[in-house]
Amino acid sequence: DILMTQTPSSLSASVGDRVTITCRASQSIGDYVNWYQQRPDRAPTLLVFGSTRLQNGVPSRFRGSGSGQYFSLTIDTLQPEDFGTYYCQHSYSIPFTFGPGTKVDLK
Amino acid sequence: EVQLVQSGAEVKKPGESLKISCEASGYKFTTYWIGWVRQMPGKGLEWMGIIYPGDSDTTYSPSFQGQVTISVDRSISTAYLHWSSLKASDTAMYYCARQRDSGYDWDYWGQGTLVTVSS
Repeated sequence: DILMTQTPSSLSASVGDRVTITCRASQSIGDYVNWYQQRPDRAPTLLVFGSTRLQNGVPSRFRGSGSGQYFSLTIDTLQPEDFGTYYCQHSYSIPFTFGPGTKVDLK
Repeated sequence: EVQLVQSGAEVKKPGESLKISCEASGYKFTTYWIGWVRQMPGKGLEWMGIIYPGDSDTTYSPSFQGQVTISVDRSISTAYLHWSSLKASDTAMYYCARQRDSGYDWDYWGQGTLVTVSS
């Protein structure tokens, strides 16, 4: 199985900050990375697919980048509704494993 | 509007069987894979397996192979996750989601079903 690691595991930030979360795959996976947001007690929602493509309806302050083994999700100008946990997921080969998550909370 | 609506919370005893459901609407059910994810209390997302409703082709994560069964009923656009003998360690929230063909991302999710297994 392909292992996905995320850093940091948690971070504290303020409204208006820029936040970057990184994800590393245990092998090269092209651009087969997706990012999900999970607010407390809610189902995950898709933010970014194919490493860089923004899902319909997702604000443009979310930005995905990377290819191969190294990927990142950047949130420009953090908003109150952005607090929660973010997961990367690869979709290169089954099983499409998720990273362990990065919890973003209010400083 | 695409929707995935999951069945309600369950409380079961160890050794009991259980089948939870995920009813799809707003799109052609037979043309998108449906996947299942486990989230244990306070933990992350674990990819369990996927099924193609068109022909019931199913693939499981090695971690869940033999532990659960994924199935569909095309006549009612519903996917299922089944346990024949629950364990306390099956206590978790379970989500279904629709998988897109292009990049295999999961674009629509159910609201989740909480399964509690306790004696």
